[in-house]
Amino acid sequence: SAVISQKPSRDICQRGTSLTIQCQVDSQVTMMFWYRQQPGQSLTLIATANQGSEATYESGFVIDKFPISRPNLTFSTLTVSNMSPEDSSIYLCSVGSGQFNYGYTFGSGTRLTVV
Amino acid sequence: AQSVAQPEDQVNVAEGNPLTVKCTYSVSGNPYLFWYVQYPNRGLQFLLKYITGDNLVKGSYGFEAEFNKSQTSFHLKKPSALVSDSALYFCAVREGYNNNDMRFGAGTRLTVKP
Repeated sequence: SAVISQKPSRDICQRGTSLTIQCQVDSQVTMMFWYRQQPGQSLTLIATANQGSEATYESGFVIDKFPISRPNLTFSTLTVSNMSPEDSSIYLCSVGSGQFNYGYTFGSGTRLTVV
Repeated sequence: AQSVAQPEDQVNVAEGNPLTVKCTYSVSGNPYLFWYVQYPNRGLQFLLKYITGDNLVKGSYGFEAEFNKSQTSFHLKKPSALVSDSALYFCAVREGYNNNDMRFGAGTRLTVKP
């Protein structure tokens, strides 16, 4: 299965600033996904990023707050904009894995704390 | 929309005893079911999946899960627990191949005591 490198692994940011998270995959993948895991909670899908098209956002997430780039088949970025303490979470990127992309492989995550 | 329920926030077992982590699901079509494990300060690691075929699926680290359509369940099991199995376990479901939205349960924290 694909190997995902995600960085930074953690960061502490001031409110009102923005942070860009990078996700690099060691092979070409069609679908990349961005998830958020709030403290003590489960994972929630933010958006699906396909190369060559705009990301598709889930209900409750908007492009102005979470702009996503997908310049090629091995790389994507998620930006958390105008951060507030409520944005403190773990952000994970994932890609479809295995034949037919049945399951997803996850990066190690970015632990974001907004102060 | 599809959903997953993990009724137990916490499961405690003694090392060497069998363990079960429960999961029930709700979908309108065919379910694709998954178990993931998350160790502290780590991302999610894939354990096993059910797509079709045998109801009993075997995965990594000696874990297995049984798909029960009538009970809409996909419980995770291991015959003999290890202290190193202590982690956070997530059940997840996708509703068919064309649906990219993988929904996760709330997670169950497994603690295996020596």
